[in-house]
Amino acid sequence: EAQVTQNPRYLITVTGKKLTVTCSQNMNHEYMSWYRQDPGLGLRQIYYSMNVEVTDKGDVPEGYKVSRKEKRNFPLILESPSPNQTSLYFCASSYRGAEAFFGQGTRLTVV
Amino acid sequence: GQQVMQIPQYQHVQEGEDFTTYCNSSTTLSNIQWYKQRPGGHPVFLIQLVKSGEVKKQKRLTFQFGEAKKNSSLHITATQTTDVGTYFCASGYALNFGKGTSLLVTP
Repeated sequence: EAQVTQNPRYLITVTGKKLTVTCSQNMNHEYMSWYRQDPGLGLRQIYYSMNVEVTDKGDVPEGYKVSRKEKRNFPLILESPSPNQTSLYFCASSYRGAEAFFGQGTRLTVV
Repeated sequence: GQQVMQIPQYQHVQEGEDFTTYCNSSTTLSNIQWYKQRPGGHPVFLIQLVKSGEVKKQKRLTFQFGEAKKNSSLHITATQTTDVGTYFCASGYALNFGKGTSLLVTP
């Protein structure tokens, strides 16, 4: 089954404690991206990657890091999370900007 | 990236009424995609439009891409409670999303 898998689905953490949200896709898609969703602000792009070892900043990259060492994986790293990073996060993948497939989402709370 | 603005932000209709959401850009768009996100769910792809003036239909949903490729619309005829959710437009290779239109349908 074609899918994008994010883990964890829910996470509560404390300010400053490094965390990683994993994202994996099994469709051999070149393109992957991370979004955060906040009420009234829609889906804002954090980072995207057009292929292995190629990443670029989206609209709200501050406080986040990503890596693309393998085609299937695109982890999102928060080195020092802060409460303003409390949000719903989505990973997505697509083939060259065509239909995007989204993960189930990760609801992150930073206290 | 290709920035898109969406209106309205919210729409509340009675079941059976029509609904339209609009997506606008100040620049020419290479393509436009539409997604639907049910409450508590993740965005799901509905359709992609590429050609100037293109119109596509999916049952009660009609999608249009403007002649100048700077705007698009999604029209739902005779809404049903199953249409509840947030509808997003997105554009560009990097898929920049609009803020979405949240549709509430009252039985």
